[in-house]
Amino acid sequence: DVKVTQSSRYLVKRTGEKVFLECVQDMDHENMFWYRQDPGLGLRLIYFSYDVKMKEKGDIPEGYSVSREKKERFSLILESASTNQTSMYLCASSEQGKTGELFFGEGSRLTVL
Amino acid sequence: QKEVEQDPGPLSVPEGAIVSLNCTYSNSAFQYFMWYRQYSRKGPELLMYTYSSGNKEDGRFTAQVDKSSKYISLFIRDSQPSDSATYLCAMTKRGNAGNMLTFGGGTRLMVKP
Repeated sequence: DVKVTQSSRYLVKRTGEKVFLECVQDMDHENMFWYRQDPGLGLRLIYFSYDVKMKEKGDIPEGYSVSREKKERFSLILESASTNQTSMYLCASSEQGKTGELFFGEGSRLTVL
Repeated sequence: QKEVEQDPGPLSVPEGAIVSLNCTYSNSAFQYFMWYRQYSRKGPELLMYTYSSGNKEDGRFTAQVDKSSKYISLFIRDSQPSDSATYLCAMTKRGNAGNMLTFGGGTRLMVKP
């Protein structure tokens, strides 16, 4: 079974803090993604990566950065957290060429006070 | 206007009912269509996948795509309480780098025993 593991299920941070969300996948997938999920807005793509050290902006990259130093690990960084970044963050991975078949982690619920 | 529209529900049905979930979209370039199921406090998981127009059946689930109307549906026969979840439609274009998907907002389904 493919497993995508997000390090923190629930986080509470203060405005201005730096936040790291970690994601690890164990199926040697080339592609990894970070989404945020908000009620009524569905899933919106923040960043994705199709190879080590490669990254592409998604629909809502402002206020976020990412890091992919190893194939299995994709990190999302909030340099200075703000209250409007309170959300559910979902990491996903997929195999190159398998269009549409994403494997998601269980999500990290971030609250910024 | 969102590229993919989905009624948020909630949709409440009795056990054994036939459920119809729908999405409309505006981008005629979409060619791959997916349905993801998301249980509470979990990440989405791929349920059904279709390419272009037509029907696809898998057990109690049938996915239908009508590209001429830009309309996709998911039918659930003999619905069970275990089908209670949020259903997200997703779609993408041919050759989309990194499998970038556009998601609907999700429909929450509740199947009552």
